[in-house]
Amino acid sequence: EVQLVESGGVVVQPGGSLRLSCAASGFAFDDYAMHWVRQGPGKGLEWVSLISWDGGSTYYADSVKSRFTISRDNNKNYLYLQMNSLRAEDTALYFCAKSNGRFGGYEEYWGQGTLVTVSS
Amino acid sequence: DIQMTQSPSSLSASVGDRVTITCRASQSINNYLNWYQQKPGKAPKLLIYDASSLQSGVPSRFSGSGSGTDFTLTISSLQPQDFAIYYCQQSYTTPQLLTFGGGTKVEIK
Repeated sequence: EVQLVESGGVVVQPGGSLRLSCAASGFAFDDYAMHWVRQGPGKGLEWVSLISWDGGSTYYADSVKSRFTISRDNNKNYLYLQMNSLRAEDTALYFCAKSNGRFGGYEEYWGQGTLVTVSS
Repeated sequence: DIQMTQSPSSLSASVGDRVTITCRASQSINNYLNWYQQKPGKAPKLLIYDASSLQSGVPSRFSGSGSGTDFTLTISSLQPQDFAIYYCQQSYTTPQLLTFGGGTKVEIK
């Protein structure tokens, strides 16, 4: 059974930094690309970032480009999202998701999310 | 960016009703269209991928159709557990700029 468990969400001040983690199990983690998707309070879904199976390629939404960095540790089966220069509009529930392919694709399985609140 | 527009934004229906949700892309996305269901406080769940393929374990009352710019999600006989928000998503531009529709909330009449 695919399991994805996010952690690291907290309340942080504007301009601050945070690293989210996602522990993956139940599948061959190093065979699949991984996504981060977020959902603001009462809002819809927004794709944030994707990393290829080997970490060699990364992609970002324009809204987070140059501020967020996605990475992965295939030895530990972990996905990460380093978030810098946080803004109020980054407040959201952040989901990690397994892709259906090695280099891209759609979100096949999702974690339950971790809440990031950016507020002074 | 490709914009995804869902309609309606909400609907009320009764158990046993046939429900149809539409999704329109701002340009052709072939059949790279996926549907997700999200219940309150839960993660989204993949229902349909590539416009019409049913994800493993999803009941057969869910079906998808369409290609190009216009797509449909149909629930043939609405069940109590189907009351949720449904999102379409284009994955034509993968591995980047994946975009979701605004969602359709299916409520109990």
